[in-house]
Amino acid sequence: GAVVSQHPSWVICKSGTSVKIECRSLDFQATTMFWYRQFPKKSLMLMATSNEGSKATYEQGVEKDKFLINHASLTLSTLTVTSAHPEDSSFYICSARKGSSNQPQHFGDGTRLSIL
Amino acid sequence: DAKTTQPNSMESNEEEPVHLPCNHSTISGTDYIHWYRQLPSQGPEYVIHGLTSNVNNRMASLAIAEDRKSSTLILHRATLRDAAVYYCILKGPGSEKLVFGKGTKLTVNP
Repeated sequence: GAVVSQHPSWVICKSGTSVKIECRSLDFQATTMFWYRQFPKKSLMLMATSNEGSKATYEQGVEKDKFLINHASLTLSTLTVTSAHPEDSSFYICSARKGSSNQPQHFGDGTRLSIL
Repeated sequence: DAKTTQPNSMESNEEEPVHLPCNHSTISGTDYIHWYRQLPSQGPEYVIHGLTSNVNNRMASLAIAEDRKSSTLILHRATLRDAAVYYCILKGPGSEKLVFGKGTKLTVNP
């Protein structure tokens, strides 16, 4: 159990394009979902935390107008990278958690985004 | 969240046990110790977590020192599929976040 599906797994697009990434918890209701970014050979950096039906909480230095997060239901969160540029190229990973903050996070397989 | 210290890398042979250490000398009394691992080109995977007592599950065992200033993740029989970066993370009871450090890159030799 506790499967998180992330789509697409990879995307290549032109500079200036907006890209939407979906994160779904397939077999549980996620009280909280998280979005991370990972650059090559670096560790994961948390971008934002979102709860269903409320605005996401962004980490310092992450532009909320650049990285739009919509947590429309207990099983779906989306991250939209608006007007993407080459420096936004990265590995984006979502996670979902059910229950209290001491419960584990379950991660998707990530989306590799390449902006040309 | 309190900081953890892990070796940058470790090597193991297939089918042998692996002991991955983690130091967390500034741990507070309510911090949980979480372990995740990340295989190449994948998202992290939850391994195990504990507070004070040693914990076992189908993936691994977690041995926590009596003073809780260190812990060890134990893989009882390493396989090639266990090659990954292993992250030891402290998490307070009210904290929403997982703060990933650099972790330990485990190489498993056939």
